[in-house]
Amino acid sequence: QVQLVQSGAEMRKPGASVKISCKASGYTFTGYYIHWVRQAPGQEFQWMGRINPTTGGTSWAQRFQDRVTMTRDTTTTTAYMELASLRSDDTAVYFCVRSDEGEDWFDPWGQGTLVTVSS
Amino acid sequence: DIQMTQSPTSLSASLGDRVTIACRTSQNINGYLNWYQQKPGQAPKLLIYLTSTLQSGVPSRLSGSGSGTEFNLTISSLQPEDFATYHCQQAYGVPWTFGQGTKVEIK
Repeated sequence: QVQLVQSGAEMRKPGASVKISCKASGYTFTGYYIHWVRQAPGQEFQWMGRINPTTGGTSWAQRFQDRVTMTRDTTTTTAYMELASLRSDDTAVYFCVRSDEGEDWFDPWGQGTLVTVSS
Repeated sequence: DIQMTQSPTSLSASLGDRVTIACRTSQNINGYLNWYQQKPGQAPKLLIYLTSTLQSGVPSRLSGSGSGTEFNLTISSLQPEDFATYHCQQAYGVPWTFGQGTKVEIK
């Protein structure tokens, strides 16, 4: 079945970076976009950006554009999201999600990765 | 960014009740509205896309409606597995944005 499996929880100090992985299986990896969405405690989901696994092309929300890097490895069907210059308000659960080109609804979702930023 | 406002923030209902959750957008999104269900400790699950199309496997007691800036998710007869938090998401303009969620609890 279609599945996205993410790496485990991370703890970082303010100013550090974190890199999360998302292993895709059960479908053609290059046939669908991978997006990154986060949910801070008590907050709504925030869309961070997406990557086209075929071309490696990315787009992202303006609020993250200076700090987020999205990459992929087509040989291992894995997408990565790195967030730099972490702040305490980056503490959140980060999800990778799949969408088809031109169909911007998200299915499925990865299980989520908790990133805690604390000194 | 397109702002999303869900109401109510939470509701209490009994098994068999009809429940409606509203989602209002700050501009016309031409029906590009999706709904997700999230249970504690689980990843969200897509329920409905493009306002009213049920994702495969979603029971028919769930339905979506609306247009312009006003959208609804309706559960016709609440079942035990429906107690969860529901989120709307617009897919009209980048950045995609979400409502703050509506928690459906057991009365």
